[in-house]
Amino acid sequence: SYELTQPPSVSVSPGQTASITCSGDKLGDKYTCWYQQKPGQSPVLVIYQDTKRPSGIPERFSGSNSGNTATLTISATQATDEADFYCQAWDSSTVVFGGGTKLTVL
Amino acid sequence: EVQLVESGGGLVQPGGSLRLSCAASGFTFSSYWMHWVRQAPGKGLVWVSRINSDGSNTIYADSVKGRFTISRDNAKNTLYLQMNSLRAEDTAVYYCARDIVVRGVRWIDPWGQGTLVTVSS
Repeated sequence: SYELTQPPSVSVSPGQTASITCSGDKLGDKYTCWYQQKPGQSPVLVIYQDTKRPSGIPERFSGSNSGNTATLTISATQATDEADFYCQAWDSSTVVFGGGTKLTVL
Repeated sequence: EVQLVESGGGLVQPGGSLRLSCAASGFTFSSYWMHWVRQAPGKGLVWVSRINSDGSNTIYADSVKGRFTISRDNAKNTLYLQMNSLRAEDTAVYYCARDIVVRGVRWIDPWGQGTLVTVSS
């Protein structure tokens, strides 16, 4: 079965840029989404179709996808961005999530 | 406003059954595929099942195949998940979520608030 691999944790200082990676075999041939989940809340879509932001998501959030790696980039990171982030792709009509990355804003 | 509200969770003994519901509002429910996704306590998101817009096509994760059944009632704007032969490892918050497709590209948005299922004796 298809697998997506994320680092368990990423730390960033306020105002700096955070990058969270998601790796999978030929992931660049698929479209990737990213979800943010804050403690006690439901996941929220922050990036779809590799690079697009839903309405209401700050421009600080951006995405890319090439080769075997998709990346979520958060620029000018704020304390309120601290959350778990999950990448997601489709494989053979099934949905696959990465294991999640805890973003800590120190 | 698009809303998804899950219900039906609770405590059930191993081997027991439970039916989850997800009431949809604010959009044309019958036009969208829908998903169930679960999250064990302190763990990540795991996709469970998906149903197409008219209910004629369903697909399941291997971990629940043969035990869980996804269905929908488009007249009632409601999605269901019938869970049988429950195991301790099925303990999780279960989310329903809407599938969106535009020119062949899919994503999942929004998600409901989730309902907790606890399988324990």
